[in-house]
Amino acid sequence: GAGVSQSPSNKVTEKGKDVELRCDPISGHTALYWYRQSLGQGLEFLIYFQGNSAPDKSGLPSDRFSAERTGGSVSTLTIQRTQQEDSAVYLCASSFRGSGGNTIYFGEGSWLTVV
Amino acid sequence: GDSVTQMEGPVTLSEEAFLTINCTYTATGYPSLFWYVQYPGEGLQLLLKATKADDKGSNKGFEATYRKETTSFHLEKGSVQVSDSAVYFCALSHPGGKLIFGQGTELSVKP
Repeated sequence: GAGVSQSPSNKVTEKGKDVELRCDPISGHTALYWYRQSLGQGLEFLIYFQGNSAPDKSGLPSDRFSAERTGGSVSTLTIQRTQQEDSAVYLCASSFRGSGGNTIYFGEGSWLTVV
Repeated sequence: GDSVTQMEGPVTLSEEAFLTINCTYTATGYPSLFWYVQYPGEGLQLLLKATKADDKGSNKGFEATYRKETTSFHLEKGSVQVSDSAVYFCALSHPGGKLIFGQGTELSVKP
């Protein structure tokens, strides 16, 4: 597609339920990133994929968070047993190879509200 | 570890005023430096970048120069417009690595 596509754009879920957030990167981009944007917390790195492998998952906040990428394309971020502090905008981004001087393009985000 | 520090907002200016948003970084080696902008209700988009020392990135009237001696990448614009109202993020990255962002600076431009 023309840009990074994320779904759903908005999700309201009950505490304790699992959620899946999907990211479809720009075609041909091998690098894919997940970030979280919370009020007062800025942009928090979660995980980075190069192809289907994740060389850096240092930002995942707990073992309730996991992500996978298949076919070097679509990625899914899964949050199990959601908590209210998980409420945030989850941003996906992609770039041609890794960052360095390459531009990273962001999707519009998935706004998650846990009630 | 690597980090980015930006001046706190919100910054409120009148139209046609001069803008500076300070950004300093701590990093090993020679990272690339970026400014991203988030307009109200929109996603993050790249504003400008610089990949080596003394490079100047520029776009839409905004400029920033990669200063290794002061580890800074301050964003400037000579005359801001109401349409520049947004949140601005400074960031760095190393080859093959992730972007590390500052906390963001909200800019509000009044007519």
